[in-house]
Amino acid sequence: NAGVMQNPRHLVRRRGQEARLRCSPMKGHSHVYWYRQLPEEGLKFMVYLQKENIIDESGMPKERFSAEFPKEGPSILRIQQVVRGDSAAYFCASSDGGKTEAFFGQGTRLTVV
Amino acid sequence: GDSVTQMEGPVTLSEEAFLTINCTYTATGYPSLFWYVQYPGEGLQLLLKATKADDKGSNKGFEATYRKETTSFHLEKGSVQVSDSAVYFCALRNSGGSNYKLAFGKGTLLTVNP
Repeated sequence: NAGVMQNPRHLVRRRGQEARLRCSPMKGHSHVYWYRQLPEEGLKFMVYLQKENIIDESGMPKERFSAEFPKEGPSILRIQQVVRGDSAAYFCASSDGGKTEAFFGQGTRLTVV
Repeated sequence: GDSVTQMEGPVTLSEEAFLTINCTYTATGYPSLFWYVQYPGEGLQLLLKATKADDKGSNKGFEATYRKETTSFHLEKGSVQVSDSAVYFCALRNSGGSNYKLAFGKGTLLTVNP
């Protein structure tokens, strides 16, 4: 039973490029959450998605960031025109319901050079 | 808003030493409290949890008691092992409308030497 799978594990982008981070939830899970961990900080909630719906994106920066969770395929966190301040670890978690335990992936470490 | 403050690291201990990692929280309502662990190269794993005041969560020799009067959830282990070396995160989830969100502390890196 595979856990939450994130890829890539490490991603290097030049300033101005786009970064696409993928998250495949655990089998049977239809709720996905994205968190960001900036250097020297704890994880911060970004967005909560269910299949084809954004439930809460209150933690997403207003510009350049978007997320989707299509009917088929993984959830995607997309960062356009990356800047050095976007360098962080991005964690995805999934659950089978909003109040149940969320299981985390290994994270994607984004470095913007 | 909800927040968690945990002991700054890094913490370095010898094998079989006693471990305490302090965690305090600020929250409205009645949050559930969690400790997560991240081993090198892996994702976060739930270590233990407590859902109401005076509950004690325990797992793998680790314990933490939900203390509402001191708004604390300190992590303890009587005798650490080298394999306990990891980053430990304290977190809370509130019981209100956004009860799916976790608020995390900054994490504490623990290194246990043989």
